[in-house]
Amino acid sequence: DTAVSQTPKYLVTQMGNDKSIKCEQNLGHDTMYWYKQDSKKFLKIMFSYNNKELIINETVPNRFSPKSPDKAHLNLHINSLELGDSAVYFCASSRWGLSYNEQFFGPGTRLTVL
Amino acid sequence: AQTVTQSQPEMSVQEAETVTLSCTYDTSESDYYLFWYKQPPSRQMILVIRQEAYKQQNATENRFSVNFQKAAKSFSLKISDSQLGDAAMYFCAYRSSPLTQGGSEKLVFGKGTKLTVNP
Repeated sequence: DTAVSQTPKYLVTQMGNDKSIKCEQNLGHDTMYWYKQDSKKFLKIMFSYNNKELIINETVPNRFSPKSPDKAHLNLHINSLELGDSAVYFCASSRWGLSYNEQFFGPGTRLTVL
Repeated sequence: AQTVTQSQPEMSVQEAETVTLSCTYDTSESDYYLFWYKQPPSRQMILVIRQEAYKQQNATENRFSVNFQKAAKSFSLKISDSQLGDAAMYFCAYRSSPLTQGGSEKLVFGKGTKLTVNP
């Protein structure tokens, strides 16, 4: 059973389009995250949700809108895609507040904007 | 804000030898957690080892161990008996303690070290 899954794994699209990436976790965690890994492999937090509430928003353009319909899902919608949005997007989950909680990562979605 | 620095963009090691990857961090917090993640070509992020700042004993997981120097804000990863499957990007990461007021559970990553294992 996959702990954290993302769909799609690869996404190729044109500039200006709108696209969504879906994330689901079956670990019973209450906190989910989106990270962006750029072309130089640098990983940075974008958003975090705890119990469906946004708790971290790291100066991400308004074109990015996360949505958490329930604790097990965190989707990322991107409007008006730009070339600079090309990256690998990772979803992760953990249990909030535990001192030793590990973040489990999904397999990543490689987004290519042409 | 916390920062994590990995000063070695690339490292190489011979199979069966030992290699140490460096990581330093900057924080004003006294309680926090440090992690090493491995990212093989499959791009899956895999937790290698973790350390709680309040523990003086260095963490060990089989062939992987850390040298945690809290005063120096240093957290290096030692891989013993290197294997071909250890070839990957290695990321050092910092996370605040959930008990820290205003602390965030986000991971702050270094820029990574690409490890090559030569047969």
